[in-house]
Amino acid sequence: NAGVTQTPKFQVLKTGQSMTLQCAQDMNHNSMYWYRQDPGMGLRLIYYSASEGTTDKGEVPNGYNVSRLNKREFSLRLESAAPSQTSVYFCASGMGQDYYGYTFGSGTRLTVV
Amino acid sequence: QKEVEQNSGPLSVPEGAIASLNCTYSDRGSQSFFWYRQYSGKSPELIMSIYSNGDKEDGRFTAQLNKASQYVSLLIRDSQPSDSATYLCAVILNSGNTPLVFGKGTRLSVIA
Repeated sequence: NAGVTQTPKFQVLKTGQSMTLQCAQDMNHNSMYWYRQDPGMGLRLIYYSASEGTTDKGEVPNGYNVSRLNKREFSLRLESAAPSQTSVYFCASGMGQDYYGYTFGSGTRLTVV
Repeated sequence: QKEVEQNSGPLSVPEGAIASLNCTYSDRGSQSFFWYRQYSGKSPELIMSIYSNGDKEDGRFTAQLNKASQYVSLLIRDSQPSDSATYLCAVILNSGNTPLVFGKGTRLSVIA
């Protein structure tokens, strides 16, 4: 099993460009999450989807949109990238009741210049 | 005030010693607690979960939970250089179905 797969692994954008980060899981998990990780800030939740068909804002949602395409896939879109969105982005998935913790993807390192 | 607090470190311990990592949380109603290990440039990896007061042991790792003091810790016995990483404490705050909240992590360095 691949677990949680994120694409791309690295990306450089110019300010104002848009892009979509892709995430897919093959563990039949109900819930999926997008976090960003910045030095000294820890992991901060951007958006999450508790189940197929639902999405909710996390701690830092501004400048992002998400789509839960189906049970397996959860994408994160930056409509107009800003240098403040330079970060490492992690997708994660969980059983739904979160009792067992989350499994993380390998991350996307995004630089906005 | 951050809801999950950890000392950022670095915490340096000699090889073979016990490393003690600590975490406090703000919500007395929290029920589920996790420790993740993150090597530099890699993604977080779940190493321990604990839900009841007391100790839970898994190999060289022991998680300790004290809900009255709102405190959870991770002990690593016989520390090895390969344990050098950042350790993230994560909590499901309150008793609802809410996402994990992570502390900022403690960087551990095990010196050979």
